[in-house]
Amino acid sequence: AQKVTQAQTEISVVEKEDVTLDCVYETRDTTYYLFWYKQPPSGELVFLIRRNSFDEQNEISGRYSWNFQKSTSSFNFTITASQVVDSAVYFCALRGASNAGGTSYGKLTFGQGTILTVHP
Amino acid sequence: GAVVSQHPSRVICKSGTSVKIECRSLDFQATTMFWYRQFPKQSLMLMATSNEGSKATYEQGVEKDKFLINHASLTLSTLTVTSAHPEDSSFYICSAGGAAFYNEQFFGPGTRLTVL
Repeated sequence: AQKVTQAQTEISVVEKEDVTLDCVYETRDTTYYLFWYKQPPSGELVFLIRRNSFDEQNEISGRYSWNFQKSTSSFNFTITASQVVDSAVYFCALRGASNAGGTSYGKLTFGQGTILTVHP
Repeated sequence: GAVVSQHPSRVICKSGTSVKIECRSLDFQATTMFWYRQFPKQSLMLMATSNEGSKATYEQGVEKDKFLINHASLTLSTLTVTSAHPEDSSFYICSAGGAAFYNEQFFGPGTRLTVL
């Protein structure tokens, strides 16, 4: 069974602060994929990043950065110099390779989500 | 990136009626589509996996007679909520993936269903 835990239910910061959203996962698969999605008030999911289990390099994209640590089964997401537009719900998700093919192809397991509010 | 649309975006219906939600992949063929349900302030929960030309696979606890899924073509899957009740009010999201998008799922904008 797969499980994704986002322990932080809600985070509130003031604009320009850095904020880290935690994600811890469990899977028995040796090959898997991790994702982060942003869900603004409109409801539409916005894809942020995908990382496969063999690629432990951290990634930076503008103000966003991700820290993947296989040893601790964590895939944390940091927003630097947060902005009001970053306010949204952020979901971490996991897809195990054993789901590839067959009737469970592409099945994603989502964490509970973290509500981020950035105040001006 | 690939585009997935959903129709309608918002629907309000009376208790006891059936509602159909469409999910379309606009610029790619999707052999597999997924239907998720999201209650307010909660996460997305997978309801079913829809495979083109075959029966959908439902997650445990999801009533297949209540939530009818049809994936008749490579670009369209439909979810019908039969005899809807207020507890079926939720945000329904579909996603689509195809052979050319091995690790990718593209999400639709969601459909907000309110049952009065």
